[in-house]
Amino acid sequence: DAGITQSPRHKVTETGTPVTLRCHQTENHRYMYWYRQDPGHGLRLIHYSYGVKDTDKGEVSDGYSVSRSKTEDFLLTLESATSSQTSVYFCAISESPARGSSGELFFGEGSRLTVL
Amino acid sequence: GDSVTQMEGPVTLSEEAFLTINCTYTATGYPSLFWYVQYPGEGLQLLLKATKADDKGSNKGFEATYRKETTSFHLEKGSVQVSDSAVYFCALSSNNAGNMLTFGGGTRLMVKP
Repeated sequence: DAGITQSPRHKVTETGTPVTLRCHQTENHRYMYWYRQDPGHGLRLIHYSYGVKDTDKGEVSDGYSVSRSKTEDFLLTLESATSSQTSVYFCAISESPARGSSGELFFGEGSRLTVL
Repeated sequence: GDSVTQMEGPVTLSEEAFLTINCTYTATGYPSLFWYVQYPGEGLQLLLKATKADDKGSNKGFEATYRKETTSFHLEKGSVQVSDSAVYFCALSSNNAGNMLTFGGGTRLMVKP
């Protein structure tokens, strides 16, 4: 199994509070991603990172920010959580094609967030 | 933009039945195609992949063939087991610099003994 750890695995919070989810990898892969999973929508990309301090927006980035100060850590922050951000959040990692990757992603076990 | 369309579930089968889950895609260029599986309470795991037209990906008895002429990547298994009960996601990567995947909505498979 790819060495990906997400924390916390479960969190319940109230509307308007800040929340930070952490993704830690031990694989030294270049790319890291945050997806959210909702019924009927599959997985949708929130933000991604292609290196330390290099991040970009995905399909559903509004209301989220990210940071990557080290290769192994990718943080997802909800500055002021809303009920529409209740979801399961997955971190994923991928290696560069220059290192032989054919584009597959490896996923963490998910963080279930409930915003009341 | 890129998109992936999967048949909606749930798909309910008896053990040892034949499985097909349809997947079609829209993409520019020549994407790589993937099937991921998600067991209850877990993250997604790569099941199989194909990186060019006419390639067949296979793993654990599952197969899918990259059909460029029909822009499809249907998942098949000849004889399903109860342990195959899961959600299956079709996905594509347009060989973009960031390896970003576009996912279909997922298909839940339930196999009854």
